Amino acid sequence: DAKTTQPPSMDCAEGRAANLPCNHSTISGNEYVYWYRQIHSQGPQYIIHGLKNNETNEMASLIITEDRKSSTLILPHATLRDTAVYYCTGGNRDDKIIFGKGTRLHILP
Amino acid sequence: DSGVTQTPKHLITATGQRVTLRCSPRSGDLSVYWYQQSLDQGLQFLIQYYNGEERAKGNILERFSAQQFPDLHSELNLSSLELGDSALYFCASSQGPSRSYNSPLHFGNGTRLTVT
Repeated sequence: DAKTTQPPSMDCAEGRAANLPCNHSTISGNEYVYWYRQIHSQGPQYIIHGLKNNETNEMASLIITEDRKSSTLILPHATLRDTAVYYCTGGNRDDKIIFGKGTRLHILP
Repeated sequence: DSGVTQTPKHLITATGQRVTLRCSPRSGDLSVYWYQQSLDQGLQFLIQYYNGEERAKGNILERFSAQQFPDLHSELNLSSLELGDSALYFCASSQGPSRSYNSPLHFGNGTRLTVT
């Protein structure tokens, strides 16, 4: 079973920042937090990852709490194309990369 | 384009049959992962190979088997197919062997299997 907890769905107005939370309280000290998204039935797409420090790339920013038990993915200016299911991974056992049910993000025009 | 190639894209077969799904990882990636996604369900981890060796196993049915070949491509074999096996099957690859590695997964576009 997945060891991450995410809200099942969220809404965000187009042009606003979308903040997607993830709880990964069982994450180990050397394990990275990864975020992916899946648009419709396409293959999931890698977004960003981090270990301890906050990270930013051309797609998003990742904020990891100091205790590393949770993180937030930030899409700074959401567009309709960002409508997708967003998954975070972390805290799994035995090197299995388990995906939870993710957050279905709806971008409202 | 993720660089991960899955074939075929679509597969329609009858119950009781056997099929083979193929995955070519990104150049330089040594790990291959297989996931199953049924309609409106999440990604179910099946199995992982690293450099030809089985690395981690999920809730993969005994009717399913996989292997990774010396050229690093992987095949997922599904036998005695049942209606419930209808799903999207995704392959992903990464450079490293484990979740502690600084190496994201890159997914293929999947094989859509329909069992009739």
